[in-house]
Amino acid sequence: EPEVTQTPSHQVTQMGQEVILRCVPISNHLYFYWYRQILGQKVEFLVSFYNNEISEKSEIFDDQFSVERPDGSNFTLKIRSTKLEDSAMYFCASSGDHTYEQYFGPGTRLTVT
Amino acid sequence: GNSVTQMEGPVTLSEEAFLTINCTYTATGYPSLFWYVQYPGEGLQLLLKATKADDKGSNKGFEATYRKETTSFHLEKGSVQVSDSAVYFCALSDPGNTPLVFGKGTRLSVIA
Repeated sequence: EPEVTQTPSHQVTQMGQEVILRCVPISNHLYFYWYRQILGQKVEFLVSFYNNEISEKSEIFDDQFSVERPDGSNFTLKIRSTKLEDSAMYFCASSGDHTYEQYFGPGTRLTVT
Repeated sequence: GNSVTQMEGPVTLSEEAFLTINCTYTATGYPSLFWYVQYPGEGLQLLLKATKADDKGSNKGFEATYRKETTSFHLEKGSVQVSDSAVYFCALSDPGNTPLVFGKGTRLSVIA
């Protein structure tokens, strides 16, 4: 069964450093999403991406965040200058054109020290 | 804006007990409703969904009915198993490929 994959599973970085979180969506999906979950809190939407551009973003997704689909398979989330409060689990998801169900990856746990 | 409220956990049940996890929502328009499950060490998996009022979603013995009059989508299972131990998330989205809005999640532990 096709699945969404994410790398790394755990990333530790120092405050102020840049990190790139990687996702490989399901191959025939067209819509891609990033969500995050701060420990003990809700899963929150960050950004959605379709047709090589951002289709929607939340107020969390400020100028320090960016997304990219650098090739036909990867979908990345970059955080330019990490802050302590960026520590969270980051989930990637994808959905198809005619089915609106979002399929999630296992997540990347980001720890900013 | 849209929001989801679900019962706080953790919930601990004995095997074969009846499970209810309450979920209510606030939305403009006619959202689609979902339950996702997260098993230890894994990602979020879609458990079931309902797209219009009075629809019943079901999967793996779990059920939830879209109740527009009470803006609820409570998750139920008649007889839980140890393997059902996980975190359960209620979520909604506007129709189409739109972002999901999640509740805080409810951790279920089933003991033998």
